[in-house]
Amino acid sequence: GAVVSQHPSRVICKSGTSVKIECRSLDFQATTMFWYRQFPKQSLMLMATSNEGSKATYEQGVEKDKFLINHASLTLSTLTVTSAHPEDSSFYICSARPDNNQPQHFGDGTRLSIL
Amino acid sequence: QKEVEQDPGPLSVPEGAIVSLNCTYSNSAFQYFMWYRQYSRKGPELLMYTYSSGNKEDGRFTAQVDKSSKYISLFIRDSQPSDSATYLCAMSEGAGGGNKLTFGTGTQLKVEL
Repeated sequence: GAVVSQHPSRVICKSGTSVKIECRSLDFQATTMFWYRQFPKQSLMLMATSNEGSKATYEQGVEKDKFLINHASLTLSTLTVTSAHPEDSSFYICSARPDNNQPQHFGDGTRLSIL
Repeated sequence: QKEVEQDPGPLSVPEGAIVSLNCTYSNSAFQYFMWYRQYSRKGPELLMYTYSSGNKEDGRFTAQVDKSSKYISLFIRDSQPSDSATYLCAMSEGAGGGNKLTFGTGTQLKVEL
C-alpha cells in the first residue's frame, strides 16, 4: 500500500520551455503532498507543501512564480517549472501521506535536464 | 552546523556483514524518526519509522533512537548486495512524521560479494 507514482521519469528540453510533472497517490487519498529537489550526492530539500483545494506553501528561497503547484484533487498534484533554464536541471521528487499520522511515501522522481 | 549530520560514506562491507548507519541531530523537538533507502535514480523508499526513543525491528533491519544523545542508528544484519544503496535518515517534529521532514545527506552503502 501507499504507492506514489510520478510522471514523467525523465525530461530533456530546451531552455525557456515550461515542464509539468505529475504526482499521483495510487491507493490512497492525500490532502497534502510535498515537492522536493535533490542535487547529485546531496539530500532532499523541501521546495513546497501542496494542499488540496488551496494554495501551496513554499519554502524560503523558492520562487512561487517559477515553480507552480496545483493540487486539484485528492490523488493528484502537479509541479510546473516555468521558463526552465539550465540551473533548474535537477532531480524532482514528490511525496504524499495517507493521513497526518502516517509517514511520507515518495515517488520515483523526475530527472529534469534543461539544455 | 546542520540540523542533521550523517556520514556520506561510501561504506563498503562484505556480504553477510552487520552494517551500522548513524545520524546525529541538534533539534531536541524532533520526535519522529525515519530511515529511507534510495537506489540510484529512484525515489526514497521507507524502511523504518519510529517514534521517540527505543528500538524497532523489522526483518533484517533494526532502528534505534536515543533522544538523550540525539543519536539514531539503523542496523542491517546479514547484508546482501541488493542492500547497496544510499540510506537517508529523516526526522520531524510533527505528529506521524508526516509534517516537514529534515533529511541527513545520506550514507552510500556498497555490499560486496
